[in-house]
Amino acid sequence: DAGITQSPRYKITETGRQVTLMCHQTWSHSYMFWYRQDLGHGLRLIYYSAAADITDKGEVPDGYVVSRSKTENFPLTLESATRSQTSVYFCASRRIKGQPNTEAFFGQGTRLTVV
Amino acid sequence: GENVEQHPSTLSVQEGDSAVIKCTYSDSASNYFPWYKQELGKRPQLIIDIRSNVGEKKDQRIAVTLNKTAKHFSLHITETQPEDSAVYFCAASSLYGGSQGNLIFGKGTKLSVKP
Repeated sequence: DAGITQSPRYKITETGRQVTLMCHQTWSHSYMFWYRQDLGHGLRLIYYSAAADITDKGEVPDGYVVSRSKTENFPLTLESATRSQTSVYFCASRRIKGQPNTEAFFGQGTRLTVV
Repeated sequence: GENVEQHPSTLSVQEGDSAVIKCTYSDSASNYFPWYKQELGKRPQLIIDIRSNVGEKKDQRIAVTLNKTAKHFSLHITETQPEDSAVYFCAASSLYGGSQGNLIFGKGTKLSVKP
């Protein structure tokens, strides 16, 4: 199906383990983002990517790594998971620059629990 | 970088009343201001947006106003219905590339509409 999809939807992992959250979009949007959502904090930007092979830090990047070798994929890796990284993670994509549609579309979210 | 403040954090209204949510932003380069609605357990979805060359925009029961001089924008929902109950997020962004392509969100407003 066309759109933006995240996997897995739910994940439980142990402290110290590496975990990767996947994000895939079929629109060839140039921009992709990772947000975390925590009660009282809203949506906070972790990392963003303006195009393939171009990534940069957002508001809360510590403990996370991203890559974007292909336009359609933007995986987020927690190198050594901590309990403070328990959260709901949303991936989003957006067309910029010269395109009429500037809406950002969100994936379904991944609920990550670190025990 | 951009900072978005959103008030109130919770809002309770009677069905049929109006609801107003206010946001302020810090970066004068921001020129795109979307509002997202997030129902419980769902992904955020765009409900209305406004660009900096427009002062007001309406879509049925929803309207957004923008005051560029004061750097604030507001969401107005008239004739509220129980299905309007959700968390609403404002955001600020540039329509152009670089780090200004990011969407920075406020912390959200939980709207409850009582029948």
